[in-house]
Amino acid sequence: QQPVQSPQAVILREGEDAVINCSSSKALYSVHWYRQKHGEAPVFLMILLKGGEQKGHDKISASFNEKKQQSSLYLTASQLSYSGTYFCGTEMDGNNRKLIWGLGTSLAVNP
Amino acid sequence: NAGVTQTPKFQVLKTGQSMTLQCAQDMNHNSMYWYRQDPGMGLRLIYYSASEGTTDKGEVPNGYNVSRLNKREFSLRLESAAPSQTSVYFCASRAGQSNSPLHFGNGTRLTVT
Repeated sequence: QQPVQSPQAVILREGEDAVINCSSSKALYSVHWYRQKHGEAPVFLMILLKGGEQKGHDKISASFNEKKQQSSLYLTASQLSYSGTYFCGTEMDGNNRKLIWGLGTSLAVNP
Repeated sequence: NAGVTQTPKFQVLKTGQSMTLQCAQDMNHNSMYWYRQDPGMGLRLIYYSASEGTTDKGEVPNGYNVSRLNKREFSLRLESAAPSQTSVYFCASRAGQSNSPLHFGNGTRLTVT
């Protein structure tokens, strides 16, 4: 049931782009994306509901491919502040509210 | 606006001791969650409460119990702590809508010796 995130780790230079993927073997109702910095709580980025939508948030956007049961998080023109661990959380049923997380993708942005 | 408040922030227990982690939210949220986070393991769901009066097991419920005391409060109890329960524990809450985000507390760092 746990979603699979890839890659496990990414190292970027400031200004470069990255894509983080989150896939599930089961049909998904929603996908949540969060970023966590060391020693802090995860911080909300965006939610995508089934229906194959795409959302944007400054230079961070995401898509949800319902056919593939996969979501991708796009980080463009990365900034130092983007460093952290990115987690996707998935919900298979909109009614039972059970939210399960992937293992995370560690992103380091260097000057 | 306090959001989600967890207490305590840090705790050291000896094996076999019991304790309760407290969580309260002031956002009138329906759903509340307890996660544990270990290095390389991500966030694992221990128990959750979809709405007041209901609780359900998550991925790793063994060794834990929960109580949804009222709409605001959701506590996590370790009856007989084990070293394997050394972890950072996060409480989170969310509103009733399907597109509502999780709001996390600041975490409790628990060490069991």
